[in-house]
Formats: sequence, structure tokens, C-alpha cells
Amino acid sequence: DQQVKQNSPSLSVQEGRISILNCDYTNSMFDYFLWYKKYPAEGPTFLISISSIKDKNEDGRFTVFLNKSAKHLSLHIVPSQPGDSAVYFCAATDAGNMLTFGGGTRLMVKP
Amino acid sequence: DAGITQSPRHKVTETGTPVTLRCHQTENHRYMYWYRQDPGHGLRLIHYSYGVKDTDKGEVSDGYSVSRSKTEDFLLTLESATSSQTSVYFCAIADLLYRGESGANVLTFGAGSRLTVL
Repeated sequence: DQQVKQNSPSLSVQEGRISILNCDYTNSMFDYFLWYKKYPAEGPTFLISISSIKDKNEDGRFTVFLNKSAKHLSLHIVPSQPGDSAVYFCAATDAGNMLTFGGGTRLMVKP
Repeated sequence: DAGITQSPRHKVTETGTPVTLRCHQTENHRYMYWYRQDPGHGLRLIHYSYGVKDTDKGEVSDGYSVSRSKTEDFLLTLESATSSQTSVYFCAIADLLYRGESGANVLTFGAGSRLTVL
């Protein structure tokens, strides 16, 4: 059973608007969460992370929110740009060394 | 790709044949991982290594073996390839000295190896 789930396989957003990507997890032992971005024919690249002691982490246009009680995190991209079009993976870990990934959400930002 | 190279990048093989994928790093990182990416499943961990000759199983290790005889090389072997092992395989590296602000290891991935088993 998947411990990390991204229930939306795809998301389409207009350029300049907000993109919200969601992720749910079931393992209460997870205490670090990361987002990776993947372009076609390339490996995933690290985007942003958050520790369970925080509920928000921001890096430029990217903000990750964590709701521990709901076992839910989200990635906000504001404003969205066409270059943000990619597959986004949510990942979690309970020891910092091994990551469990979600199934990914394909984001399409339309000009 | 931050000093991580996968080979071959593409391979087509037949069911029952052995296949070895190679991951080579120049970063001297301690941890190395093999993941497979499949639609709907995201990235799933096959095996990982926390040092030379130190390896362990991941979530989907059946049908795969690994070896790490040198810090820089991590080999993934399919002893007898099956069609269910058709996938894109990613190697990743990490080091305890580099953790994200959150404290978790930040993995650096290779460009991937696409394997098709006919």
C-alpha cells in the first residue's frame, strides 16, 4: 500500500496563476518531506523540503505547507510560469536517508 | 548531472537475459540508490548502499541484485529479465554532509536508464 499518495495525476494552470500540488501520507513516523521536479528524459531534481517541526517553508516562488494532523502537504507555486511544466514528486522519510515517493503530478502551465 | 552517470541510457533486451545497469559517481558520496519509475507508482526504491559492500533491500527488490565494490560504482543486475521489469531506472546519490534545510538527505539523481524487456 502506498504510504505517500498524490491523488491528482495531472494539473493544468494558466501562466501567472497559482499552482497547488497536493500530497497525502499515511506513515505517522515520517518527519521530513521533500518535493522533486522532473523534466522529460532527465532525472528528478530537488526543489524544496520541510521538517515536521515547521508548517511552512518558502523559497522564492515555491512554498510548501505541512498539516501534520491531516497528514497532508502541499506545494504552492506563485506565479506559475511555463518553465514550471514538469512532473512533481512528493517524498517523505522517517530517518533522513531513504525516501518514499508519491506517484507524481504532471503540471502543465499554459501561456 | 552533478557527477553522476548512468549506463547504458537505453537498452532493449529479451526475456530471460541478464542485464546490468551501471551507476558511476565522482562526488565520493556515501549513499547510493537504485529506483525504478513506473506510471502511477512514482519512484520506488529497489536497493540502496550505505558504503562499499554494504547494501540493503528496498521496497521492490525481488528479481534484482546489486553490488558496490568501489565507492564510485553501484551496479544493478537483473539476473533474468522479465517484461515486468520494463521501466526507467534512476540511480541517486546522497551524503550526510549535505542535507536540506529540513534535515533530510537530498538525493541527486542521474539521468536515468530506460530498459525495455521484450
